[in-house]
Amino acid sequence: QVQLVQSGAEVKKPGSSVKVSCKASGGTFSRNAINWVRQAPGQGLEWMGRIMPIFGRANYAQKFQGKITITADISTTTAYMELRSLRFEDTAMYYCARDRDGGRPSFDFWGQGTLVTVSS
Amino acid sequence: EIVMTQSPATLSVSPGERATLSCRASQSVSSNLAWYQQKPGQAPRLLIYDASTRATGIPARFSGSGSETEFALTISSLQSEDFAVYYCQQYNHWPLTFGGGTKVEIK
Repeated sequence: QVQLVQSGAEVKKPGSSVKVSCKASGGTFSRNAINWVRQAPGQGLEWMGRIMPIFGRANYAQKFQGKITITADISTTTAYMELRSLRFEDTAMYYCARDRDGGRPSFDFWGQGTLVTVSS
Repeated sequence: EIVMTQSPATLSVSPGERATLSCRASQSVSSNLAWYQQKPGQAPRLLIYDASTRATGIPARFSGSGSETEFALTISSLQSEDFAVYYCQQYNHWPLTFGGGTKVEIK
């Protein structure tokens, strides 16, 4: 069974950066894209970007271009999402989610979420 | 960017009743649409992909329909564990986008 386990909650100052990890077990890490989705408190879901580990190539929602970097380490089956220049409105739960096998990008397995709080 | 609009925002239903949730896309997404269920404090769970295919382990009371711009998720007989927020997501165009969600609450 595929499992995605994310790093723990973070509290950051405005203007700083945060890096969240997502370790995968089960399945074949390199073949399924890992996506990052965020959810502000009481709000809906927002797709931020994704990476296909086998190619090491990421693509991002335009809104996050220049603010986010997504990477993946095949040797440790871990994906990372770094968010820079944090603002109060970046306070949210951040999820990693895996593309479903063999299909277009809907997400069949999700991490438990990492709460990032931006506070002065 | 494709805008996904879900309605209603809140649906009040009694256990055992049928619930129909709607999702509209601002332009055609073919059948590249998924539905997710999210309960408080939990990550979303994939229910339906390709507009009408149930994900692994999803009960038959959940069904999806539609194509192009109009989609629906039907829960044939609501169980207590079905009260949650439901999101649609299109994956026909980049960026991937979600609807704003429909909360299904106990009437």
